[in-house]
Amino acid sequence: NAGVTQTPKFQVLKTGQSMTLQCAQDMNHNSMYWYRQDPGMGLRLIYYSASEGTTDKGEVPNGYNVSRLNKREFSLRLESAAPSQTSVYFCASSDPGQDLDQPQHFGDGTRLSIL
Amino acid sequence: AQKVTQAQTEISVVEKEDVTLDCVYETRDTTYYLFWYKQPPSGELVFLIRRNSFDEQNEISGRYSWNFQKSTSSFNFTITASQVVDSAVYFCALSDPYGGSQGNLIFGKGTKLSVKP
Repeated sequence: NAGVTQTPKFQVLKTGQSMTLQCAQDMNHNSMYWYRQDPGMGLRLIYYSASEGTTDKGEVPNGYNVSRLNKREFSLRLESAAPSQTSVYFCASSDPGQDLDQPQHFGDGTRLSIL
Repeated sequence: AQKVTQAQTEISVVEKEDVTLDCVYETRDTTYYLFWYKQPPSGELVFLIRRNSFDEQNEISGRYSWNFQKSTSSFNFTITASQVVDSAVYFCALSDPYGGSQGNLIFGKGTKLSVKP
C-alpha cells in the first residue's frame, strides 16, 4: 500500500545545477500537486495537475517546471537551482472529481539543500 | 482571496493539560472544506480530519475534538489530556473544490505544539 512515493528523500545541490524530483501515486487519482514547505511558512503550492496532460501554476511557480508524464507520475524540475529553493518538497494526490472532500494524500517529502 | 490564519506560532504545555489550537479562515465561497494535518518530528503529514462547510457539528475522536463555527470563520482543534506523542506541528488547511486549482489546499503557517513530560 505505497500511496504517494517521492524520490529522492534527500539531495544536496550546488547553485546552478539542475534536478528533477520524482513523484508517483498508485491510487488512480486524477489530481496531483507539488508543495514546498519553508520554516514558518506552512506549505505553498508550486504547481498542480488536475488531470493527465494538464498542469497549472500555483502560488510560487517561479524557478520550477513540471511534467505530468502519465496518470501516475508528476515530476518537478529545477533547471538552475538557487539557494532560495532550499526547502522540503511534498507531492500530493487526490481525486476531487469523485469525492470533493477527499483529503490529499502526501508523500514523505524530499529535503533539498542548495549550496 | 482565501486565507488560513493560525495565530499561535508555538505552544508549550505540560503533559495531561488540555490545549486548543486556533484556526481562522477566509473565503468567499459557500462550499468549502477544512482540514487539520499533523506533522510529527519525522516530517510526514498525517491527515486528522476534514469538515465541509455545511456541517457545523462538532466532532470528537478520542482525545481530539474540533469546533467549527461559521459565524466566526473558525475551526479550532482541542487535544484533551495531552501526551508527549502529541508534540508536532499542526496545520489547518482550506480547500475550494470548485476553484481553479481543483481542490488545492491552502495551508496556515502551522502551530508547533510541544508537550513536556
